[in-house]
Amino acid sequence: DAGVIQSPRHEVTEMGQEVTLRCKPISGHDYLFWYRQTMMRGLELLIYFNNNVPIDDSGMPEDRFSAKMPNASFSTLKIQPSEPRDSAVYFCASSSNLGRGGEYTEAFFGQGTRLTVV
Amino acid sequence: GNSVTQMEGPVTLSEEAFLTINCTYTATGYPSLFWYVQYPGEGLQLLLKATKADDKGSNKGFEATYRKETTSFHLEKGSVQVSDSAVYFCALIPIGGYQKVTFGTGTKLQVIP
Repeated sequence: DAGVIQSPRHEVTEMGQEVTLRCKPISGHDYLFWYRQTMMRGLELLIYFNNNVPIDDSGMPEDRFSAKMPNASFSTLKIQPSEPRDSAVYFCASSSNLGRGGEYTEAFFGQGTRLTVV
Repeated sequence: GNSVTQMEGPVTLSEEAFLTINCTYTATGYPSLFWYVQYPGEGLQLLLKATKADDKGSNKGFEATYRKETTSFHLEKGSVQVSDSAVYFCALIPIGGYQKVTFGTGTKLQVIP
């Protein structure tokens, strides 16, 4: 498997523009996570899905942020409109719940998308 | 709720020094515990894991033992190398329910020649 694939790797956009980040999880994984990483706040969980259903979006900072998972092999994180303070590295991760009394796989991370909003 | 507490960095060591990065956790029952490493410009990679009490995870010379009595999972390495310079994250996944990964804040390690 190619691992978790994110695109683009780098994105530079102007304030006010819409930004869409994409993620392809590892085939067969039923959990998908979106994280944001900044120097000030470290690694923050924004939202996660289980079987394509959003379970916890309490980490999404504002209504400007939205995430979808239309099928098991694709997810998007959208920021509209973008602001300079959204500049960060956004990671997608996926994992699998083996469900056998505690033996879970780890989360596998993509390479991240470095977003710069100017 | 679940939480992970790591020692604050940065940690600066000379090559071949002994490394300890402390990690303690709060969770119900017996979570699975992990150490991830993030090299500059890259995503997080699993370094090692332990899924039950007294288990020892090990990889690339790093070790961590799951201590239920002290709710700890400290990372150790006997002799660090410059190539070990990275940010290290302790994490847990709770047993049962949804598999939400909880990360610590990360500890930056810098190894100087």
